[in-house]
Amino acid sequence: AQKITQTQPGMFVQEKEAVTLDCTYDTSDPSYGLFWYKQPSSGEMIFLIYQGSYDQQNATEGRYSLNFQKARKSANLVISASQLGDSAMYFCAMSRRALTFGSGTRLQVQP
Amino acid sequence: KAGVTQTPRYLIKTRGQQVTLSCSPISGHRSVSWYQQTPGQGLQFLFEYFSETQRNKGNFPGRFSGRQFSNSRSEMNVSTLELGDSALYLCASSLWLAWGTDTQYFGPGTRLTVL
Repeated sequence: AQKITQTQPGMFVQEKEAVTLDCTYDTSDPSYGLFWYKQPSSGEMIFLIYQGSYDQQNATEGRYSLNFQKARKSANLVISASQLGDSAMYFCAMSRRALTFGSGTRLQVQP
Repeated sequence: KAGVTQTPRYLIKTRGQQVTLSCSPISGHRSVSWYQQTPGQGLQFLFEYFSETQRNKGNFPGRFSGRQFSNSRSEMNVSTLELGDSALYLCASSLWLAWGTDTQYFGPGTRLTVL
């Protein structure tokens, strides 16, 4: 069975600062995908970034980067230069045959 | 390219009724998955359809069912509604290239309230 753990229920960050959202996972599958999604108050889940279990390099997408440490089974999301619009719930997820989500981290960006 | 669309966006039903939710995937996407999001249980996988066949199913009672049409559009049905079915129902579509690498793109969700 797959499990995703997000230990930070809520976080605050100042505008323009970087922030790291933690995610650890557990799986016995050798092949899997790790994803981060953003969910604003409107409810829609917005795809941010993907990391494959066999990828050698950390994924980056604009201001988002995924710090993938396979041996530690962690896949932390780093947001550089936070913006007010980044305030939302952030979910880490793992995929083998379906997405398994963590409980989420509520990020609040303060001016 | 248009994103995933879901209708209706909001729905209010009473216990015992049934409800049908609709999802139109991104053009060219053949896989459609459904998720339920509640404050207590978080995001849970309901089922996945690919080429009109249910390929994967989560741990939900038989009251929850779905189908996919030849144009990849999908519907999910919940019969004999219970108060606990109140949730945000999210649909996601993907190209599906291989297990584990498939990026799913979500629609805006249907918020169901059961009174």
